[in-house]
Amino acid sequence: GNSVTQMEGPVTLSEEAFLTINCTYTATGYPSLFWYVQYPGEGLQLLLKATKADDKGSNKGFEATYRKETTSFHLEKGSVQVSDSAVYFCALIPFNYGQNFVFGPGTRLSVLP
Amino acid sequence: DSGVTQTPKHLITATGQRVTLRCSPRSGDLSVYWYQQSLDQGLQFLIQYYNGEERAKGNILERFSAQQFPDLHSELNLSSLELGDSALYFCASSPLAGGLYEQFFGPGTRLTVL
Repeated sequence: GNSVTQMEGPVTLSEEAFLTINCTYTATGYPSLFWYVQYPGEGLQLLLKATKADDKGSNKGFEATYRKETTSFHLEKGSVQVSDSAVYFCALIPFNYGQNFVFGPGTRLSVLP
Repeated sequence: DSGVTQTPKHLITATGQRVTLRCSPRSGDLSVYWYQQSLDQGLQFLIQYYNGEERAKGNILERFSAQQFPDLHSELNLSSLELGDSALYFCASSPLAGGLYEQFFGPGTRLTVL
């Protein structure tokens, strides 16, 4: 079946530190990959996505590269801010049309000033 | 603000009861999705409607049902509630039915079953 695994949180960093949140997936075919972010008290927002191998998604200083050979889509940011504190979800949509998101368990990030 | 609205924001009820959660999608979006977010199960897809018709089903219990009305708003009905149904319920919408379109999430309804 299709599944997404993320590194366990919570992750606590100081402001301006480098961030990596690992995400690996299992899927049949070639899924599309996404990172969603959930700020406290809010719904999920799309952060970035990649639809084929070697694509790099980027937004707001965050980046992730679709690595088919390692079935990974790790999220990175060079310098985090306090405002980046949130829960980050890695997700995939399987290859077959009409199937819906499979989300990872989420990783809580806390950035301290 | 995603443009997706959900009511109520909070709901507290007792076991065995029935509740209805409401979702209004973004203007122009034809597809509505329902998700359940709980501490032990994470974020799970429940069901999708497209232009009034059921499009896809996920891990939705038989005690739960949903519908999408002609004005495109959607309701999720939860009956014979159990303690384990306590969770955040999110609605999302997208322009079309295909999964590759970005889904815009509402702020959620927090259901507490006592």
